[in-house]
Amino acid sequence: QVQLQESGPGLVKPSQTLSLTCTVSGGSISSGDYFWTWIRQPAGKGLEWIGRIHTSGITNYNPSLKSRVTISVDTSKNQFFLKLSSVTAADTAVYYCARDVVATIYNWFDPWGQGTLVTVSS
Amino acid sequence: DIQMTQSPSSLSASAGDRVTITCQASQDISNYLNWYEQKPGKAPKLLIHEASKLETGVPSRFSGGGSGTDFTFTISSLQSEDSATYYCQQYDNLPYTFGQGTKLEIK
Repeated sequence: QVQLQESGPGLVKPSQTLSLTCTVSGGSISSGDYFWTWIRQPAGKGLEWIGRIHTSGITNYNPSLKSRVTISVDTSKNQFFLKLSSVTAADTAVYYCARDVVATIYNWFDPWGQGTLVTVSS
Repeated sequence: DIQMTQSPSSLSASAGDRVTITCQASQDISNYLNWYEQKPGKAPKLLIHEASKLETGVPSRFSGGGSGTDFTFTISSLQSEDSATYYCQQYDNLPYTFGQGTKLEIK
């Protein structure tokens, strides 16, 4: 079964760029009609959808973050990536990657990675 | 953005109780709604998709319903392992948005 695992620095300085990798195992990132998604959750708070990418190159971003976010994919490595620039303390959160399953007109997030905590602090 | 409002924000119930959580969308989202369960320190887990379809392997005590703007999530007979936070999520429009969550405690 497909599994996802986030990786990247746990501490980022303010104004710098947060960079995370999601490695997909148990299946090809290119197979099936999926988007690959990033979601974050500040401590004790709710979930915020950041954006997604399809291996065709299609990307969609949350307008609230769009000017700072880039999501990319490397199919040869079965990985996709998140870059969030000009970070502040408000970007401190657990970051999850997930598969966005598209089934005709329906979709849902499954599975999810375990999440990785990124703290923005000097 | 479509706003998703869950109620209550928290509740406490006993094992064997029936509990219902509601989720209201700020506009008509048809049945483009999912429900997730999140336990402390863990990633959310999909329970229900398309408002009422149980994900494979999810116990039948969980159910969902509704369409348009008003949705429900019900646990018919609470078990101790159901202590978690539950989120609704819409996918009618981008950006996808989640409810603020309902924290369920088992007495």
